[in-house]
Amino acid sequence: AAGVIQSPRHLIKEKRETATLKCYPIPRHDTVYWYQQGPGQDPQFLISFYEKMQSDKGSIPDRFSAQQFSDYHSELNMSSLELGDSALYFCASSSNFNSPLHFGNGTRLTVT
Amino acid sequence: GENVEQHPSTLSVQEGDSAVIKCTYSDSASNYFPWYKQELGKRPQLIIDIRSNVGEKKDQRIAVTLNKTAKHFSLHITETQPEDSAVYFCAPRGDRGSTLGRLYFGRGTQLTVWP
Repeated sequence: AAGVIQSPRHLIKEKRETATLKCYPIPRHDTVYWYQQGPGQDPQFLISFYEKMQSDKGSIPDRFSAQQFSDYHSELNMSSLELGDSALYFCASSSNFNSPLHFGNGTRLTVT
Repeated sequence: GENVEQHPSTLSVQEGDSAVIKCTYSDSASNYFPWYKQELGKRPQLIIDIRSNVGEKKDQRIAVTLNKTAKHFSLHITETQPEDSAVYFCAPRGDRGSTLGRLYFGRGTQLTVWP
């Protein structure tokens, strides 16, 4: 069965640079969620989209922005990167708000 | 928002023993209660879930029980195996307006199963 696809798998950036993470949801899933997970931490909700509109916003820094496109894929844009942004970034998708979330394999971002 | 507490934070058991992890939540409107298993550096994987109209659900060696009155739900793993070793997260989901669909993760329980 198709799963959530995230790219890239690994990303190394320097402080103050920008990064773009991509997420391709499971086919026919119209809801996308972004989570950030620091080392030894639980996943923290950043933002979600439903039918290409932002549906919920969590602890996402103002330096980050995201959107969902017409083909339902989503991109998380991160600017002015800081060392503390180093983390695993997971995207998840679901077919509606009452359905289980399925997570992608994540993007490991390292900021040096 | 939802306050989620998960206990214990670490759990060590001998292979073949049972393991129980408990999760308490604060939002009485929560209506969906999943458990995720995460191995080091990998994605959270849904292992079992339960909805608010059901008290217990079982899938082979794994079961989840829900007490809506007391606002807690528990993960039960029987006949544990070394490959069950991982971090387990509870992640209740609310049913309120703008936070619809969002999962609130607990702090996780590191389960170690010794052979």
